[in-house]
Amino acid sequence: DTGVSQNPRHKITKRGQNVTFRCDPISEHNRLYWYRQTLGQGPEFLTYFQNEAQLEKSRLLSDRFSAERPKGSFSTLEIQRTEQGDSAMYLCASSLGQGSEKLFFGSGTQLSVL
Amino acid sequence: KQEVTQIPAALSVPEGENLVLNCSFTDSAIYNLQWFRQDPGKGLTSLLLIQSSQREQTSGRLNASLDKSSGRSTLYIAASQPGDSATYLCAVRRGDSSASKIIFGSGTRLSIRP
Repeated sequence: DTGVSQNPRHKITKRGQNVTFRCDPISEHNRLYWYRQTLGQGPEFLTYFQNEAQLEKSRLLSDRFSAERPKGSFSTLEIQRTEQGDSAMYLCASSLGQGSEKLFFGSGTQLSVL
Repeated sequence: KQEVTQIPAALSVPEGENLVLNCSFTDSAIYNLQWFRQDPGKGLTSLLLIQSSQREQTSGRLNASLDKSSGRSTLYIAASQPGDSATYLCAVRRGDSSASKIIFGSGTRLSIRP
């Protein structure tokens, strides 16, 4: 499968716990995006990487959220001290860049904070 | 600040009908506009991408148009089928060179009745 892969598909956690999600983009894509989506809404931008450099972060990304993309390959999104308001679908997307900005999305990680 | 609106939020039509989904945006300085399809609990699948210099794109039964001056895009679906039932989202990418944010509308939930 050469698509964008996200793990886990579902995560249930208790409030206050830390969680980490992983995204494996399409191999030749140098741009990687994280989005958050709640029911009935479109995805909201969280952060963006060009290769290993995190170029932009949304104000939605509080200090409890951190994202990395070591070596410009896979990326991780960590949420510390989860809150019930963090419950959402976390989507990863990648694009080739170089003038082609078509986004390819993964299936997402559905987070439920109890 | 770019805002993207999709009206109606939900649409139900009988099978076989041609239909139009609407997307409007407030800032005409866009780089491109992309239409996506999302099935329940899944990630987004790119349908069509229109560059700012283009007026329309076609793929099979789908045709997307772009009118930057009026801040509008439409997605035309010909001869609708039950398998077309999904949420359709449009996303606008800003036009400045530092832009990495892509703003999504909330989507139109389409139901095709057999």
